[in-house]
Amino acid sequence: NAGVTQTPKFQVLKTGQSMTLQCAQDMNHNSMYWYRQDPGMGLRLIYYSASEGTTDKGEVPNGYNVSRLNKREFSLRLESAAPSQTSVYFCASSETGEVHEQYFGPGTRLTVT
Amino acid sequence: GNSVTQMEGPVTLSEEAFLTINCTYTATGYPSLFWYVQYPGEGLQLLLKATKADDKGSNKGFEATYRKETTSFHLEKGSVQVSDSAVYFCALPTASGGSYIPTFGRGTSLIVHP
Repeated sequence: NAGVTQTPKFQVLKTGQSMTLQCAQDMNHNSMYWYRQDPGMGLRLIYYSASEGTTDKGEVPNGYNVSRLNKREFSLRLESAAPSQTSVYFCASSETGEVHEQYFGPGTRLTVT
Repeated sequence: GNSVTQMEGPVTLSEEAFLTINCTYTATGYPSLFWYVQYPGEGLQLLLKATKADDKGSNKGFEATYRKETTSFHLEKGSVQVSDSAVYFCALPTASGGSYIPTFGRGTSLIVHP
């Protein structure tokens, strides 16, 4: 049982380049999330998907797009990377409902130069 | 909206010391409360949770009691180990458009010295 997987683990981009971060879960969860984690800022929600076919903005969506490809997969795209997007990105999934915990992937460490 | 306040870190302790990490919350009603732990280089993982007032969550020697009177969910451990060195996050769900989005505290770093 792999849980939540993310690719790649590390990435270096130049300003203006684009890339897609991939996330997949094998727990049959309805909800999936993308966060970024920066020193001293905790976790900030970028986008989430409450169910297949729906996506909603979180706290810091500017500069990002997402696609809920199917129930398993939720990708995050940076169309034109900026140095301010240097961060560690985490994907998470959960069952629907307020008593359910989130399961996190191992993260993608992204550096934009 | 819902919010979580955690004590600032880092918290630095010697092995076998007693640990308390404070967490207080503001919420509508009585939501579930969670503690997550993040070991270096990894994603967050659930440490423990409590789903109603006066519940006590426990795991790996850690405990936290859901206290609605003081709107708190403080994390405690009687004797910490070097392997407990990590960042700890308090969280609660916030209703959003028919689903629930976790609201996380800023995290408290714990450093345990041998």
